[in-house]
Amino acid sequence: SYELTQPPSVSVSPGQTARITCSGDALPNQYAYWYQQKPGQAPVLVIYKDSERPSGIPERFSGSSSATTVTLTISGVQAEDEADYYCQSADISGFVLFGGGTKLTVL
Amino acid sequence: QLQHQESGPGLVKPSETLSLTCTVSGASISTGSYYWAWIRQPPGKGLQWIGTIHYSGSTYYNPSLKSRVTMSVDTSKKQFSLKLSSVTAADMAVYYCATSEGGSYRVQFDYWGQGTLVTVSS
Repeated sequence: SYELTQPPSVSVSPGQTARITCSGDALPNQYAYWYQQKPGQAPVLVIYKDSERPSGIPERFSGSSSATTVTLTISGVQAEDEADYYCQSADISGFVLFGGGTKLTVL
Repeated sequence: QLQHQESGPGLVKPSETLSLTCTVSGASISTGSYYWAWIRQPPGKGLQWIGTIHYSGSTYYNPSLKSRVTMSVDTSKKQFSLKLSSVTAADMAVYYCATSEGGSYRVQFDYWGQGTLVTVSS
């Protein structure tokens, strides 16, 4: 079955750049979306349509796409960015799918 | 600002039907560009899309759950609902209702409820 694959964890020091990838064969043909989820809270949309940032989301969050991989980049990581991050897209049938999630640790 | 409030039993017995309702405020549930969704998250695990409904009645279900899922919308009460039949321990999760305002069922979820934990136990 189709999957979106994310690394389980990413660690960075404050001020550095964090890159979280999401891979899937259908990504060249489907938009990807990214969510941030802090413990005990609902997910929050941080990127839509591969690289668009909703209002209120800091500029340090950006998204990009290349072939079968999309990437969430957090520049100048802050302690408050420590969270789980999920990508979302659709499979070839158009059904919604989430990646397994990546835990971002700020050292 | 669109807001959601999930409601329903927090405890369901195995083999029974889980029923949840999401009450919407801050927008009309009959807005054509809005799609209303249920997403769940087992404890310590990732997100799983359950399904999406449009106020017109069109539904889109996760194929892995489709045989057990029924979603409905009540525009007069500004609510949409989820029924999941024949639950097992694997259905224990935090259930979120959410909204896509992008005019399709397979775009981003812009707004989320706070989630409600459903435990499956006898």
